[in-house]
Amino acid sequence: DSGVTQTPKHLITATGQRVTLRCSPRSGDLSVYWYQQSLDQGLQFLIQYYNGEERAKGNILERFSAQQFPDLHSELNLSSLELGDSALYFCASSVRTGKNTGELFFGEGSRLTVL
Amino acid sequence: AQSVTQLDSHVSVSEGTPVLLRCNYSSSYSPSLFWYVQHPNKGLQLLLKYTSAATLVKGINGFEAEFKKSETSFHLTKPSAHMSDAAEYFCVVSEMDSSYKLIFGSGTRLLVRP
Repeated sequence: DSGVTQTPKHLITATGQRVTLRCSPRSGDLSVYWYQQSLDQGLQFLIQYYNGEERAKGNILERFSAQQFPDLHSELNLSSLELGDSALYFCASSVRTGKNTGELFFGEGSRLTVL
Repeated sequence: AQSVTQLDSHVSVSEGTPVLLRCNYSSSYSPSLFWYVQHPNKGLQLLLKYTSAATLVKGINGFEAEFKKSETSFHLTKPSAHMSDAAEYFCVVSEMDSSYKLIFGSGTRLLVRP
């Protein structure tokens, strides 16, 4: 058990809809990362938050947004969903220090199916 | 930009035989490199990491990897495969900017035959 909790584990919805994925990082971790895993794109970095602030952005679509709340949990919002958004969405957390070794702790993912 | 290339999408071995999963990296700096494993329907788990200390890194479950700067490689090995090793393995490099985000290779699926 990594200590990172993601909900829901599975989600089925229709095209055009909006969903919210939630992540609770490990206790004490300030940094949250979101990744998307799909068959054709592999594991793609979406976005990172550190202590409530956006720190880095990757291949995140404009239809997607995220935030990190004062209690450090994070939410990834996916809107105007398309079939191609079907994927496994991972959240990971880490303690970001001056000499971060880069190890991330991953949740078990939220599997999104868009029909 | 940093990147990793996993040279095999699938590797199949017999139980009890050695495992070799190949990874080459591209980096302008001395990189931090990792191997992560993903079992079916599970999240990713860190196997081992290289952060410029010893070039031969030992990880969990008998896996190890050797950092070879001259070959820009970080291959993962295990002397004797076990059925439970069947999973997808990712070679990963850490971005050297302030984000420390991880850049994943495309993955190698390890099949272990009885």
